[in-house]
Amino acid sequence: DSGVTQTPKHLITATGQRVTLRCSPRSGDLSVYWYQQSLDQGLQFLIQYYNGEERAKGNILERFSAQQFPDLHSELNLSSLELGDSALYFCASSVSSARPSTDTQYFGPGTRLTVL
Amino acid sequence: GESVGLHLPTLSVQEGDNSIINCAYSNSASDYFIWYKQESGKGPQFIIDIRSNMDKRQGQRVTVLLNKTVKHLSLQIAATQPGDSAVYFCADLDTGRRALTFGSGTRLQVQP
Repeated sequence: DSGVTQTPKHLITATGQRVTLRCSPRSGDLSVYWYQQSLDQGLQFLIQYYNGEERAKGNILERFSAQQFPDLHSELNLSSLELGDSALYFCASSVSSARPSTDTQYFGPGTRLTVL
Repeated sequence: GESVGLHLPTLSVQEGDNSIINCAYSNSASDYFIWYKQESGKGPQFIIDIRSNMDKRQGQRVTVLLNKTVKHLSLQIAATQPGDSAVYFCADLDTGRRALTFGSGTRLQVQP
């Protein structure tokens, strides 16, 4: 158990809908990262937050957004969902205060999103 | 658990043998490298890392080798066990680019 929790574990929704994925980082970790893992794209970095502020952005679509709250949990919002958004979404956390650094990232168990 | 990457290269080894998993990276500016293990239905788990000023680093039963000349990374697992069966990813970090880039992964199957 990495100490990172994600909810829900599974999510099934329809095209055009909006969903919110939730992540709680390990105790003491201030950085949260979101990744998308799909069959054809592998594991792709989406976005990083540190202590409530956006720190780095990867290949995140404009339809997706994230935020980190004062209690350090983070939410990833996916809107106008398309079939191609079906994937595993992972959250990771680290102590790091910087842009992705060499601090170890601890991954949660993921949320499997299925868009029908 | 779900399978990740139906078209992953697969390495099949006998229990007790040594395993070598290879990875090529493309960014010559990458200066930090990590190996992750992902078991079915779970998130990636950190195994070992290496910085670009080293060419070898050893952990418990694992060794990572880095060849910057040909941009190649390998993970060696000694005395492979059934619990080592998983998908293994390499990742590289170019601190200037601000994000980890993951390889496509290799599935390791350990035969008893």
